[in-house]
Amino acid sequence: DAGVIQSPRHEVTEMGQEVTLRCKPISGHDYLFWYRQTMMRGLELLIYFNNNVPIDDSGMPEDRFSAKMPNASFSTLKIQPSEPRDSAVYFCASRLGGGTDTQYFGPGTRLTVL
Amino acid sequence: QQQVKQSPQSLIVQKGGISIINCAYENTAFDYFPWYQQFPGKGPALLIAIRPDVSEKKEGRFTISFNKSAKQFSLHIMDSQPGDSATYFCAASMSGNTPLVFGKGTRLSVIA
Repeated sequence: DAGVIQSPRHEVTEMGQEVTLRCKPISGHDYLFWYRQTMMRGLELLIYFNNNVPIDDSGMPEDRFSAKMPNASFSTLKIQPSEPRDSAVYFCASRLGGGTDTQYFGPGTRLTVL
Repeated sequence: QQQVKQSPQSLIVQKGGISIINCAYENTAFDYFPWYQQFPGKGPALLIAIRPDVSEKKEGRFTISFNKSAKQFSLHIMDSQPGDSATYFCAASMSGNTPLVFGKGTRLSVIA
């Protein structure tokens, strides 16, 4: 398996623009997670899905952030409008089943908002 | 509310030395405690994990020590090597439909 795939790997945009980050989880995995990593706050869980259904989005910082999972093999995280404080590395991760199963992370998308 | 507290934030160890990273948790319902390793430019990857029914788990040079009564667990890296230089995250979760809760990470540098 190719692992969790994220695109783009790097994104540079200007404040106010819409940004869409994409994730393809490992085939067969039931859970998908979106994280944001910064030096100050570490790894923050933004939202997670189980069988394509959003379970907990309490970590989404503001209404500017939205996430979808239209099918088992694809998810998006959208920021509209983007702001400089959104600059971070965004990770997608997937997991097969329960809370004790290994969680596999993608390589991340480094977002820079100018 | 931070449910998993990790220390230190950064650590410098001589090659061949022992690296020790500590974590403390609050939720007594946690029953799974993994450590993740992250190299620059990569996503975190599972290194080793422990359940609370044992006090220690060893895999090669990496050992988790677990103290249920103190609600603490730690990662020991024996004979630390420059290739171990990375950021290490402790985490905790409960069985079932729950996400991992991560500590804030420890940046380890092993110098020759």
